[in-house]
Amino acid sequence: GDSVTQMEGPVTLSEEAFLTINCTYTATGYPSLFWYVQYPGEGLQLLLKATKADDKGSNKGFEATYRKETTSFHLEKGSVQVSDSAVYFCALSDLGQGAQKLVFGQGTRLTINP
Amino acid sequence: KAGVTQTPRYLIKTRGQQVTLSCSPISGHRSVSWYQQTPGQGLQFLFEYFSETQRNKGNFPGRFSGRQFSNSRSEMNVSTLELGDSALYLCASSLAGTTTNEKLFFGSGTQLSVL
Repeated sequence: GDSVTQMEGPVTLSEEAFLTINCTYTATGYPSLFWYVQYPGEGLQLLLKATKADDKGSNKGFEATYRKETTSFHLEKGSVQVSDSAVYFCALSDLGQGAQKLVFGQGTRLTINP
Repeated sequence: KAGVTQTPRYLIKTRGQQVTLSCSPISGHRSVSWYQQTPGQGLQFLFEYFSETQRNKGNFPGRFSGRQFSNSRSEMNVSTLELGDSALYLCASSLAGTTTNEKLFFGSGTQLSVL
C-alpha cells in the first residue's frame, strides 16, 4: 500500500538556520502531497501542498517540490524562527484510495532555539 | 466562521468501557474524516463519512464505528476499550471530499486515556 517515510527527529536548530526535512513516498497511483504542521495542543494545519510532478508548494517561507523521479517532497525554509517550533508531517492522498484518506509520515519534531 | 469542534477535549475511561466522541464540522462541509494519533503508530485513518454514509474505512477492528447525522455532525464510538486505544482522536472536515485538492480542516482533537 501507499506509504510515507520522513526524516526522524527531533531536529534542533538555531534561529535563522536553514531547514530541510526529508520526505519520500511510495504510491501506486498519482498522489497529491502535503505538509501539515501541528503546534502543541492543537490539531493539524495544512502548510502547503502539491498535486502533480514538478509542482512547488509554498507558504510562510516554507517550500517543497514534488519530485516524481525521486518520489520525494522535501520541506525547506531558508531562515527558521522560534515560532516554527512544531511537529511537521508529510502526507499523501491518492484519489483511488479516497481523497480524504491521508497517509502520514511519522512526523518530525522541530525545535528552534533563539 | 467557526472551525471544526471536537468534544470532549479530554476523556478518561477504563478497559472494557465504551466511549463516544463528537465532531462538528465547519458549516457547509459535508465530509468528515476521523484519524487516530498515537506515539507508536503515528496518524492513521479511521473512516470518512459523507451525506450520512461511510465512504471509506481504514484498517481498524469493528470495535471502532462511526456515524454522521443529517446536519453533517459526526460521532465515533469505540466499544470494549483496550489500553492501546489511548490516543488523540482527530476529526477533519472538507466541503465534499471528492478531490485531493480540497483542503482538510482539523479539529484540536479528543485525548482519550484508557486506564
